[in-house]
Amino acid sequence: EVHLVESGGGLVQPGGSLRLSCAASGFTFSSYSMNWVRQAPGKGLEWLSYISGGRSTIYYADSVKGRFTISRDNAKGSLYLQMNNLSAEDTALYYCATDGGSYFSSWGQGTQVTVSS
Amino acid sequence: QSVLTQPPSVSAAPGQKVTISCSGSSSNIGNNYVSWYQQLPGTAPKVLIYENNKRPSGIPDRLSGSKSGTSATLGITGLQTGDEADYYCATWDSSLSGVVFGGGTKLTVL
Repeated sequence: EVHLVESGGGLVQPGGSLRLSCAASGFTFSSYSMNWVRQAPGKGLEWLSYISGGRSTIYYADSVKGRFTISRDNAKGSLYLQMNNLSAEDTALYYCATDGGSYFSSWGQGTQVTVSS
Repeated sequence: QSVLTQPPSVSAAPGQKVTISCSGSSSNIGNNYVSWYQQLPGTAPKVLIYENNKRPSGIPDRLSGSKSGTSATLGITGLQTGDEADYYCATWDSSLSGVVFGGGTKLTVL
């Protein structure tokens, strides 16, 4: 069974940085592309970034391009999101999700990021 | 404002049928697969439909998906109170080189 556990969220000041992690288990991690998706309080879902299994292909949403960096360690079965220059608009619940080819096949429970002074 | 347009809310009585629409353009729905997600209160989203009309294992056949041109539709028959949730459509947008979501539709089972 696919199991995804996000961590690394917390309270950070505007302009600060945070690194999120997603620990994957129950499947061959290196064979799957992965995504980060977030949800601001009371708002809808927003896709942020995609990384292929071999790390050769990466995409970012315009809203985070240049500030966020997605990466993965296949040996550790882990996905990461380095977030820099954070603002209040980045306050959200951050999910990692497996990529089923054209859809998000499994989701973690999310980690909360709050940007506030 | 979302790239994909969904009605903010829909409602129907238990046992009835409801449809949720998702409207886009040729750069997204018109040329890419659509998926649908259910988000129950306080939980992570779950895929209901992928590749326009396919159901993952465990998703009942009272849920269906269709696509025509630049629009897609999620159908739910035999509504149950447990279906009360937010529903989102999603697809790849070739112009943006990224995934786009609809704004979400809140389903109320009266």
